[in-house]
Amino acid sequence: KAGVTQTPRYLIKTRGQQVTLSCSPISGHRSVSWYQQTPGQGLQFLFEYFSETQRNKGNFPGRFSGRQFSNSRSEMNVSTLELGDSALYLCASSSDKSNTGELFFGEGSRLTVL
Amino acid sequence: QKEVEQNSGPLSVPEGAIASLNCTYSDRGSQSFFWYRQYSGKSPELIMSIYSNGDKEDGRFTAQLNKASQYVSLLIRDSQPSDSATYLCAVNGYAGKSTFGDGTTLTVKP
Repeated sequence: KAGVTQTPRYLIKTRGQQVTLSCSPISGHRSVSWYQQTPGQGLQFLFEYFSETQRNKGNFPGRFSGRQFSNSRSEMNVSTLELGDSALYLCASSSDKSNTGELFFGEGSRLTVL
Repeated sequence: QKEVEQNSGPLSVPEGAIASLNCTYSDRGSQSFFWYRQYSGKSPELIMSIYSNGDKEDGRFTAQLNKASQYVSLLIRDSQPSDSATYLCAVNGYAGKSTFGDGTTLTVKP
């Protein structure tokens, strides 16, 4: 069974640009959540999608957005990039059948903003 | 006060010893608790889930939960150098949202 796939793995952007990250969950998993990981703040929850609907959202500005497609693949977008957006962005999928809360993470997309 | 607090570490134990990792949480209504392991440069990997008070054992790992004390721990028996990693405690998980502690970095010395 394939794991969670995130693309791209690494990217470098400049301030003011925007970026789109992609995530394909484990087959059969309908819940996809996104996290930001930085050395200073640790793992911070961005948002979660289930059946194309955003069910939960963390405390991030509106520059951070996402969506989910009918095949459960998800994308997140960050507009008007700031230096502080440099981080590892992790996607996690969950079966959500029993709402266990177990998360299965992808390898992450490492974003550097110059 | 942070929602989930862990021993700041780093924690260093000799090979073969027991490593003890601790975590406290602030939301008394929390129902689901997890331990993730993260190797340097890698993503977190789920290693234990616990939902009821008491102990849960899986191989060399034992998770302990005490809801009255709002305390979760992870014991690693017969620690191996390959256990050297950062261990993240996470609480809840409804609708994809888990709240993570800052992690404890464990080093197992041969």
